[in-house]
Amino acid sequence: NAGVTQTPKFRILKIGQSMTLQCTQDMNHNYMYWYRQDPGMGLKLIYYSVGAGITDKGEVPNGYNVSRSTTEDFPLRLELAAPSQTSVYFCASSEGEKLFFGSGTQLSVL
Amino acid sequence: AQSVTQLDSHVSVSEGTPVLLRCNYSSSYSPSLFWYVQHPNKGLQLLLKYTSAATLVKGINGFEAEFKKSETSFHLTKPSAHMSDAAEYFCVVSVGGGATNKLIFGTGTLLAVQP
Repeated sequence: NAGVTQTPKFRILKIGQSMTLQCTQDMNHNYMYWYRQDPGMGLKLIYYSVGAGITDKGEVPNGYNVSRSTTEDFPLRLELAAPSQTSVYFCASSEGEKLFFGSGTQLSVL
Repeated sequence: AQSVTQLDSHVSVSEGTPVLLRCNYSSSYSPSLFWYVQHPNKGLQLLLKYTSAATLVKGINGFEAEFKKSETSFHLTKPSAHMSDAAEYFCVVSVGGGATNKLIFGTGTLLAVQP
């Protein structure tokens, strides 16, 4: 199993641009998550999904959108990038209480 | 309200010496607690979890943590540090009865291991 795969690993955006962070998992997990990690802070939950077709907001959803058309994929969309969205983004899936993380996407908005 | 506090942002130890990473929690009921490790440029990996079965929890790579309700603590320890232990460690509390959409992450402790 590849586990949780995120692409791209790095990206630089200009203010106002849009992009999609891709996330796919091959463990057939129903639950998937998007977190952001800022320096000196713990992870903050952006959005999560309990299964295909079902998504819900986490702690910091503003400026983001998600979709879950399949069990495997959970893309995160930034529509109008802002400097405040400069962060490292982690996708995760879970089995029971155990989270499995991707290796992260480092995003800079300039 | 539930919360988790990691008392040290940086800890430095010498290889072969004990490791202690401190975590205090606040919860209105018996919590589920976790330690995750993040190696440079990697995602987080579960080290161990406490879910009320036993107060001393053993994890991977020789780490263990003890749940002390009277002290509201869940400190992470290892008897002898290895260079490969250098990473950032996160203490996590579940505030939703184990629901993974209700995890609160601590701010992390960066562990440096000196040769």
